[in-house]
Amino acid sequence: GQQVMQIPQYQHVQEGEDFTTYCNSSTTLSNIQWYKQRPGGHPVFLIQLVKSGEVKKQKRLTFQFGEAKKNSSLHITATQTTDVGTYFCAGVVYTGNQFYFGTGTSLTVIP
Amino acid sequence: KAGVTQTPRYLIKTRGQQVTLSCSPISGHRSVSWYQQTPGQGLQFLFEYFSETQRNKGNFPGRFSGRQFSNSRSEMNVSTLELGDSALYLCASSLRPVGQGARMNTEAFFGQGTRLTVV
Repeated sequence: GQQVMQIPQYQHVQEGEDFTTYCNSSTTLSNIQWYKQRPGGHPVFLIQLVKSGEVKKQKRLTFQFGEAKKNSSLHITATQTTDVGTYFCAGVVYTGNQFYFGTGTSLTVIP
Repeated sequence: KAGVTQTPRYLIKTRGQQVTLSCSPISGHRSVSWYQQTPGQGLQFLFEYFSETQRNKGNFPGRFSGRQFSNSRSEMNVSTLELGDSALYLCASSLRPVGQGARMNTEAFFGQGTRLTVV
């Protein structure tokens, strides 16, 4: 069945260091979304990517959709303590009608 | 505008009982999805409703069911509770059904969740 894996599962970084999480799907996706969930909170939408090779930036966050539309990445430059949380990708397969959430990457930022 | 509201926030039930969780979507949103979140399994899709119709169902036993009302509010029911059903149950609403048009924004707005503990 459809699977969406994320690596790493956990990441500890010093404040100011960069962080990247990778999302890999077993099948081609029509689009992919990224969500952030703070400890004790609920997932909050960050961005949606649709086009092959698409790159979008939100301040220190850079999102990329792979050329084959089977992988995606989220890169945070110069992490801050406010970046703490779990980052999930969620993909939709072509002709599909459900999100397949990645396993999530838990980010800890050490001040 | 008001966000997605889930009630109750916390529940403690005993094995064998049943439970009903409620989700009120953002006004104007007709799509409601339900997810089970556990530390070991992450976010698992339960089902999605759009205009009172179940569009898709995840890989959960028949003890998990749901419905949507004409005002788009949704409920999910779990019968014959098991210890393994302890989890955070999240509902998410969106303007359009998931997968409707790859280029359309189907951003999901999540509620705070219901924390279910089965003892």
